Amino acid sequence: RKEVEQDPGPFNVPEGATVAFNCTYSNSASQSFFWYRQDCRKEPKLLMSVYSSGNEDGRFTAQLNRASQYISLLIRDSKLSDSATYLCVVKESNYQLIWGAGTKLIIKP
Amino acid sequence: SQTIHQWPATLVQPVGSPLSLECTVEGTSNPNLYWYRQAAGRGLQLLFYSVGIGQISSEVPQNLSASRPQDRQFILSSKKLLLSDSGFYLCAWSVGRVYTGELFFGEGSRLTVL
Repeated sequence: RKEVEQDPGPFNVPEGATVAFNCTYSNSASQSFFWYRQDCRKEPKLLMSVYSSGNEDGRFTAQLNRASQYISLLIRDSKLSDSATYLCVVKESNYQLIWGAGTKLIIKP
Repeated sequence: SQTIHQWPATLVQPVGSPLSLECTVEGTSNPNLYWYRQAAGRGLQLLFYSVGIGQISSEVPQNLSASRPQDRQFILSSKKLLLSDSGFYLCAWSVGRVYTGELFFGEGSRLTVL
């Protein structure tokens, strides 16, 4: 059974700090990876795709480690508004995405 | 711009009662449509997807069904709800195949079966 595993947290982090969390996936043939953000009791929204060479979008950096089959998300200079659950997603087919259960992040003032 | 709406937002239903959740997309044509369920502490589970009117693919066996009577309308139904059907149901759309991995979700419908 193909799986995506995440530490559920919560990660309690002071405002301004850097935080990182990983996600492992079981299917070595997976080609596409994503991070979604989900606010409490709201719908998920795409945060960023994860490219093989790693990619950065402002304070957010995503990395892919194929050898160890994990992806990571790094958030620098964290803001209160970054508090949310971060969902790791792996594409299995053109219509099937495998979703992690999410890592809850709480930024404290 | 494209928008997606689903309703109702919240419902409490007794075991054995029927269910109908509706989702509509505006501002795009021939979208791929999806129904997901999110249970507490678990990842989103794909229930159904549709690539066109009347075309429904089911990903998991269950007592739920889906229909797509119009291009931008997707309905999730059940004739008799089970306790295990409780959860957060999300409708989503994508353009063509899920090539970019970007799904656009509705606001969700929170179902509690008692």
